[in-house]
Amino acid sequence: AQSVTQLGSHVSVSEGALVLLRCNYSSSVPPYLFWYVQYPNQGLQLLLKYTTGATLVKGINGFEAEFKKSETSFHLTKPSAHMSDAAEYFCAVLGNAGNMLTFGGGTRLMVKP
Amino acid sequence: DTGVSQDPRHKITKRGQNVTFRCDPISEHNRLYWYRQTLGQGPEFLTYFQNEAQLEKSRLLSDRFSAERPKGSFSTLEIQRTEQGDSAMYLCASSPRKTGAYEQYFGPGTRLTVT
Repeated sequence: AQSVTQLGSHVSVSEGALVLLRCNYSSSVPPYLFWYVQYPNQGLQLLLKYTTGATLVKGINGFEAEFKKSETSFHLTKPSAHMSDAAEYFCAVLGNAGNMLTFGGGTRLMVKP
Repeated sequence: DTGVSQDPRHKITKRGQNVTFRCDPISEHNRLYWYRQTLGQGPEFLTYFQNEAQLEKSRLLSDRFSAERPKGSFSTLEIQRTEQGDSAMYLCASSPRKTGAYEQYFGPGTRLTVT
């Protein structure tokens, strides 16, 4: 069975600072990994995904993530935080059968002016 | 694509009542998923359809929950005899039929409050 752990339920950064949101996964098969963002009272928007190939993947809004098999990690980064990045971020892994997503508990990103 | 839509966006009901939610996936997406998200948690998988066939159900989907996708297009999720513990955001997602396209696109959700 898959599982996802997001270290830090709340992360606070200053505007312009580096954003680092941590995600570690457990999977019995090569994982397909995703990051989603959720703004208040809205659904989830896909930021980026890793399936196969290049381990550094770029997504929307300047975010990127690196798949590290040896560390079972898929951390999300952005070089310079913007106020509009304040939201909840979820890391997810796809199930063995290629259907259900298993999500981490989420990390709330706060951006200080 | 107009995106995944869900109706209603909010529902307040009294304990013991039945509620039904609707999800319209992105057109031509053959896979449709339902998730439940409680406050401060990540979404949890409930069930999955490929076309009109319900292929997987979570243990979270008790006997009071039923989902349908009668013509392989929109889907409904019904909760009978609602309980306060059913209060949550119910999210629908869809994904395309293309091989290798594993990303799921989410709707805005239906927030259920059981009083």
